[in-house]
Amino acid sequence: GQNIDQPTEMTATEGAIVQINCTYQTSGFNGLFWYQQHAGEAPTFLSYNVLDGLEEKGRFSSFLSRSKGYSYLLLKELQMKDSASYLCAVRALPYGGATNKLIFGTGTLLAVQP
Amino acid sequence: DAMVIQNPRYQVTQFGKPVTLSCSQTLNHNVMYWYQQKSSQAPKLLFHYYDKDFNNEADTPDNFQSRRPNTSFCFLDIRSPGLGDAAMYLCATSGRGLAGVAHFGPGTRLTVL
Repeated sequence: GQNIDQPTEMTATEGAIVQINCTYQTSGFNGLFWYQQHAGEAPTFLSYNVLDGLEEKGRFSSFLSRSKGYSYLLLKELQMKDSASYLCAVRALPYGGATNKLIFGTGTLLAVQP
Repeated sequence: DAMVIQNPRYQVTQFGKPVTLSCSQTLNHNVMYWYQQKSSQAPKLLFHYYDKDFNNEADTPDNFQSRRPNTSFCFLDIRSPGLGDAAMYLCATSGRGLAGVAHFGPGTRLTVL
C-alpha cells in the first residue's frame, strides 16, 4: 500500500521561510508533486521531483530523497496570500498494476501571520 | 486556453437520486482522474483512466461508477447518493511522459439533501 504523511498545520510569519515536510512509503515510486490549495478551490501545481535533489522555482523549492522516502517544500519570503493547504502527492506504479496513479498526502494547512 | 472543465460547479441532489458529474479537457491528455475531497481532508482517488483502461481503487464504493466515451470527456455517476457522499469532486488529467503533471478542474461541489 501507500502511506504519505505531512504535518497537519503550521504557522509562520510574513517575510519568513517555512519548510513543509512529507514522508512517504510506496512501491513503484515515479515522482513526487507539491500542490497548493486555497479553501474552496482546486489544487494548483507548484513543484515536481523525480530525482534526488533540490528543484527551485522562484520563491518555492522542493527537495527529494528517494532513499529516505522524504521530501520538503520550502517557501521563502512568505506572503499573506501563501496561507493555504499544501499537498504532497506521490505518483507510483502499484505492484501488479498497469498504470501510474497519483495519491495525495494528508495536506498541511499553512497560516501566514503578519 | 487548454484546460480542464467541470460541470456543473455546484450540484444539489436528493438522497438516493442518481447524479452525474462531467469533466472535459482540451489538453488531449491520456490519463483522467476522479478524486473526492471532503472538508479539511486531502483528495481521495476514486478511479482513473489510462486511455480507455479503467482503474478502480479497492476502497471506492460500488455506488460510484465512471465512463470515458472518448479522450476529452469523463463522467462520474453516483447511483444512489447518500449524505456521506457530499463533497467536492475533482477531475484531473495528465499526459504521457515522466513529468505528467496533473492538471485539475475547478471541481463540482455536491450537496445531498
